[in-house]
Formats: sequence, structure tokens, C-alpha cells
Amino acid sequence: ETGVTQTPRHLVMGMTNKKSLKCEQHLGHNAMYWYKQSAKKPLELMFVYNFKEQTENNSVPSRFSPECPNSSHLFLHLHTLQPEDSALYLCASSQVAVYGDEQFFGPGTRLTVL
Amino acid sequence: AQTVTQSQPEMSVQEAETVTLSCTYDTSESDYYLFWYKQPPSRQMILVIRQEAYKQQNATENRFSVNFQKAAKSFSLKISDSQLGDAAMYFCAYRSKETSGSRLTFGEGTQLTVNP
Repeated sequence: ETGVTQTPRHLVMGMTNKKSLKCEQHLGHNAMYWYKQSAKKPLELMFVYNFKEQTENNSVPSRFSPECPNSSHLFLHLHTLQPEDSALYLCASSQVAVYGDEQFFGPGTRLTVL
Repeated sequence: AQTVTQSQPEMSVQEAETVTLSCTYDTSESDYYLFWYKQPPSRQMILVIRQEAYKQQNATENRFSVNFQKAAKSFSLKISDSQLGDAAMYFCAYRSKETSGSRLTFGEGTQLTVNP
């Protein structure tokens, strides 16, 4: 596979469930990102990892817990979510987290919290 | 903080015609990057074009070009000879050069429909 892949593509979970989103990039990049895309709102950056180290946390609630075990994989662990957390979650990667490098996006996971 | 505004929630164009999508932004910085991303129904965001603020020449990529007006803080995207495959949500985005980090600030998006 090439590019940035995300699994699952769709996820429905209850407020008490624990689930994880997975992102994998096959581009040899060193930076990975999680974005949240809600209906009729701009994309919101959630987390940035650069060389496996978290470099940005955009005031994300602790019910979202990222994990970056290596430069190719990024997880978003979810627990006790709220219905307003329903959104499209996009993963992206870039060569390194510098200012002008292109970010390559995955197809996203459509999350519905009941 | 920087903000990006796309004032056209929806636009439509006839196939083979030209369409311009608007974007304005607000920043106190003098050097930065601006981007246009395309998100088709498949949801995969794709970079369309990139502009560095210190470069006066407008960026072009085949049928896509921008009109960058730094003083007016305007960054519009022109799509020439529109094709059915151009139908997508288009996002304008800003990225600082002067502050640390790699944050992209996105606009709300413009949904482009291409009519055959």
C-alpha cells in the first residue's frame, strides 16, 4: 500500500466504549498529525508528532489519547466520548513538521458517538 | 491568532469554464505559507497549490492558479477549463513561518459543483 491509510473507515461507538483509530503512512515521513473535521466547521488540528515526539496538543480533551510508537504509525485512543465528538478524523503525514512541507492526508475515519 | 475565511460555501461552474474561489485571511505576520486543498467525495485531502508569502509571483499548477494579494490578505484560486473531476470541497489554509510548530489553519471550505 502507498500513501496514508486509516482504519477503520467508519466507527460507531457508545459513550462508554473504548476504541482506537489507526493511521499508517508508507511515505517515509517523520511527522504525523490528527485533525478533526466537523460538519460546517474548519478542520481543527488536534495533535502533532515529530520523530515520535508529541510537539503540539491543541487543547484536546483527555478523552482523546494519541500514541505514536514509531514514525509510520499513529493511533488515537478514544474513551468516554460525547455525541459532539462525532466527526471525520483525518490523519496526515509530512517529511518533518516544518513550515512549508506538504501534508499528505488519509481518507479519514467517520466516527459516530451514540 | 490567524484566521482564514472562505465566504462562498458553494460554487458551481459549467464544464470547460473558469471559476474563482475566494479566500481571505487575517495575520500580523509578514512571512507565511498559503495552501489550497481539495477534498473530493472520497474524503482524501489533496494539496492543489502552495504559495509562499515572500514570493510575489503567483503560483500555478497546470489548470490551477492563484491570485495572491498580500496587502489585501487575499488568496483566490482560479480553476481553468473545469473538469467533472474538479468537483470537491476546496479548503484554503494558512501556515505560519514566524512561530514554531506546524499548525495549518483552515477555512470553512467551498463546495464546488461542476455541471456537464
